[in-house]
Amino acid sequence: GDSVTQMEGPVTLSEEAFLTINCTYTATGYPSLFWYVQYPGEGLQLLLKATKADDKGSNKGFEATYRKETTSFHLEKGSVQVSDSAVYFCALSGGTGFQKLVFGTGTRLLVSP
Amino acid sequence: GAGVSQSPSNKVTEKGKDVELRCDPISGHTALYWYRQSLGQGLEFLIYFQGNSAPDKSGLPSDRFSAERTGGSVSTLTIQRTQQEDSAVYLCASSAQGARGTEAFFGQGTRLTVV
Repeated sequence: GDSVTQMEGPVTLSEEAFLTINCTYTATGYPSLFWYVQYPGEGLQLLLKATKADDKGSNKGFEATYRKETTSFHLEKGSVQVSDSAVYFCALSGGTGFQKLVFGTGTRLLVSP
Repeated sequence: GAGVSQSPSNKVTEKGKDVELRCDPISGHTALYWYRQSLGQGLEFLIYFQGNSAPDKSGLPSDRFSAERTGGSVSTLTIQRTQQEDSAVYLCASSAQGARGTEAFFGQGTRLTVV
C-alpha cells in the first residue's frame, strides 16, 4: 500500500538556521502531497501542498517541491524562527485512486533563540 | 459549524468500559477520517468514510473498535472493553472530495485515558 517516510526527530536548530525535513513516499498511482503542521496545543493544519510533479508548494516561508523522479517532497525553510517549533507531518492522498490521507510519523522541530 | 468539532475533548475511563467519541465534520464534507495519535507517535489511520461508499476499515486495530457515520454527517467511534493501550488522542478530519489535493480539516481531538 501507499506509505510515507519522514526523517526522525527531534530536529534541533538555532533561530535563523536553515531547515530541511526529508520526506519520501511510495504510491502506486499519482498522489497529491502535503505537509501538515501541529503547533503545541493546537490541531493539525495544512501547511502546504503540491498536486503534480515539479510543483512547488509554499507558505509562511516554507517550501517543498514534488519530485516524482526521486519520490520526495522535502520541506525547507531558509531561516527558522522560534515560533516554527512544532511537529511536521508529510502526507499523501490519491495514490491508488482514492483520497485517503496517508501520513508519515511526524518530525518534531525545536528552534531555540 | 465553522470547523470540525469533536467531543468530549477529554475522557478518562476505567479499563474494560466502553467509550464513544463523537465527530461533527464540516457541513457538506463527504469524506471523514479517524486517526489515533499516541504519545510521541505519528498518526495511525483508523477508518475512512467517503460518501455512500463502504468505509475503509483497514486501520481499525481490533474488533473492539467500530465506527459509524449517520446520514453522511456525524460520526461516532466506539471502543469496547477499553484497554490501557487504547490511551491516545483520537483525531477526526473531514474534507470535500473530488478534486486532487483537497485539504483535510482536523478537529482538536479527544484525549482518551484508560486507567
